[in-house]
Amino acid sequence: QKEVEQNSGPLSVPEGAIASLNCTYSDRGSQSFFWYRQYSGKSPELIMFIYSNGDKEDGRFTAQLNKASQYVSLLIRDSQPSDSATYLCAVNIPGNEKLTFGTGTRLTIIP
Amino acid sequence: DAGVTQSPTHLIKTRGQQVTLRCSPKSGHDTVSWYQQALGQGPQFIFQYYEEEERQRGNFPDRFSGHQFPNYSSELNVNALLLGDSALYLCASSYTGGRHNSPLHFGNGTRLTVT
Repeated sequence: QKEVEQNSGPLSVPEGAIASLNCTYSDRGSQSFFWYRQYSGKSPELIMFIYSNGDKEDGRFTAQLNKASQYVSLLIRDSQPSDSATYLCAVNIPGNEKLTFGTGTRLTIIP
Repeated sequence: DAGVTQSPTHLIKTRGQQVTLRCSPKSGHDTVSWYQQALGQGPQFIFQYYEEEERQRGNFPDRFSGHQFPNYSSELNVNALLLGDSALYLCASSYTGGRHNSPLHFGNGTRLTVT
């Protein structure tokens, strides 16, 4: 079982709709969760981080964390063509310096 | 406010050669981590430096080594290059101050091609 799993996609969403990206993780000790956006040929850009169960909203983005189900998601409301990118989920456990990344979900917003 | 800067942006080397990649962290950050990202994969942790010491290392061979300088900048060295070392090398900085799990900010990366 992979430490962090994401559906590789591609996920196609019409412009203006809600894009839902999902991530599961295997280590129950994980406590810090991050979503990065990566455009083709570019480096990852931090979008959201969440530490507690529940929802965290920032503009059009909402991160959702459910530690009991070992599940973290990212919702993008009012999707724009500029949101087309690969979204990386990353997880960290206390006392461990590394971030463990999933392979990413490629999102395409269709105009 | 300058973000994380890496140099060079692209590099082509031959098998068996050695390479040095450089990174300057974002202003105010004291911790530098290095990641390797192969095509179509997520970044893989190489190691992290804090207070000029390697704090943790991922599953990479000893051919990969690093250094952090007093001004927090860092170098990644790879010896005896293999074709499989071709990847995007990402430097990420954060403010740790001894704590853990602070968000990472990535530089633009160095694209290394080994022929």
